[in-house]
Amino acid sequence: AQKVTQAQTEISVVEKEDVTLDCVYETRDTTYYLFWYKQPPSGELVFLIRRNSFDEQNEISGRYSWNFQKSTSSFNFTITASQVVDSAVYFCALIDPTDKLIFGTGTRLQVFP
Amino acid sequence: EADIYQTPRYLVIGTGKKITLECSQTMGHDKMYWYQQDPGMELHLIHYSYGVNSTEKGDLSSESTVSRIRTEHFPLTLESARPSHTSQYLCASSGRAAGLRYTEAFFGQGTRLTVV
Repeated sequence: AQKVTQAQTEISVVEKEDVTLDCVYETRDTTYYLFWYKQPPSGELVFLIRRNSFDEQNEISGRYSWNFQKSTSSFNFTITASQVVDSAVYFCALIDPTDKLIFGTGTRLQVFP
Repeated sequence: EADIYQTPRYLVIGTGKKITLECSQTMGHDKMYWYQQDPGMELHLIHYSYGVNSTEKGDLSSESTVSRIRTEHFPLTLESARPSHTSQYLCASSGRAAGLRYTEAFFGQGTRLTVV
């Protein structure tokens, strides 16, 4: 069965600190996709990144970076030099050949000035 | 820009009423989803569809029903609304792109339902 675990319920940091959000997933399939979404206080879901199971290359986009490790079934997200505008709930998600798109429980990040 | 629309945005309705939440997308996506979410909390998958005439229940038990008669349309119906149905309902769709089995999911703006 599919499962996405985000063990960190809430993280608080001070601006300019680096922060890593953890995501651990379970699936029986070898073909799957992983996603990260951001949900700011305004409520809309903002897509951040997609990664398929055959591409273990880490990715960096500005202050954001993602570390995908199949050996540990993890897809962690790091924000470097955090800013107040990064305050949001962040969701990790998984889709596999069942076509079910499921989300983790989310991590609420609060960045204080 | 995502072309997925939900109506109404807000709905206050009395207990026992039948309601239908509308969701339409113009991207030709084969997969569509309904999630229930209280603000800032977990997204619970309640229904999904991988194509016309296919619907499946999600992980969260729901008294709602869905239909997928057309690719672009995925309405959710509650036959008899109750206060426990008060929540936000988010519709999403995803498709395929060149070389990819799945695109990211595009979300509607949500329907905030209050049952009094």
